Amino acid sequence: DVKVTQSSRYLVKRTGEKVFLECVQDMDHENMFWYRQDPGLGLRLIYFSYDVKMKEKGDIPEGYSVSREKKERFSLILESASTNQTSMYLCASRTIAGTENTEAFFGQGTRLTVV
Amino acid sequence: GNSVTQMEGPVTLSEEAFLTINCTYTATGYPSLFWYVQYPGEGLQLLLKATKADDKGSNKGFEATYRKETTSFHLEKGSVQVSDSAVYFCALSSGGSNYKLTFGKGTLLTVNP
Repeated sequence: DVKVTQSSRYLVKRTGEKVFLECVQDMDHENMFWYRQDPGLGLRLIYFSYDVKMKEKGDIPEGYSVSREKKERFSLILESASTNQTSMYLCASRTIAGTENTEAFFGQGTRLTVV
Repeated sequence: GNSVTQMEGPVTLSEEAFLTINCTYTATGYPSLFWYVQYPGEGLQLLLKATKADDKGSNKGFEATYRKETTSFHLEKGSVQVSDSAVYFCALSSGGSNYKLTFGKGTLLTVNP
């Protein structure tokens, strides 16, 4: 089974801290994604990566950066955490495999609270 | 750009009731369409998918048909169970080299015994 593992289920951080959310997948997928999930807003794409060291901004990249030094690991960085970044963060991975029909596999999510 | 619109929730049903969750989309090209489900406290998992017009995806008693003429992919189940209580997301993937998924806002379904 494909597994996408997020390093923490729950995090509490202080305003202004630099926060790292880690995600690891074990299926050699090319594409990895970070979404945030908020009530009434659904899933919004923050960043995605289509290869090692390659990244592209999603719909809401402000206040975030990412790092992909190895194919299996995709990190989301909150440069200076703010209370409006309190949210559920979901990591996903997906193979391209020459077709756009493939499903994305999700981690269990990290619920981040910034106080 | 691509977008997905699904019916707003929450939806509350009694066990064995019929379920429909509407989903319509706008997309360039010929998208693939997906329904994902999120059970409480978990991440999203694929429920079903359809890759071309008139395809029907099905899984666990749920069905959805890819209707190109109405740009819709409505989710249906004939008889819901308490265990179907979850958030349901409609999504599409279309065009480009990196096949991003675009999601709807999600519909919370609660099934009461």
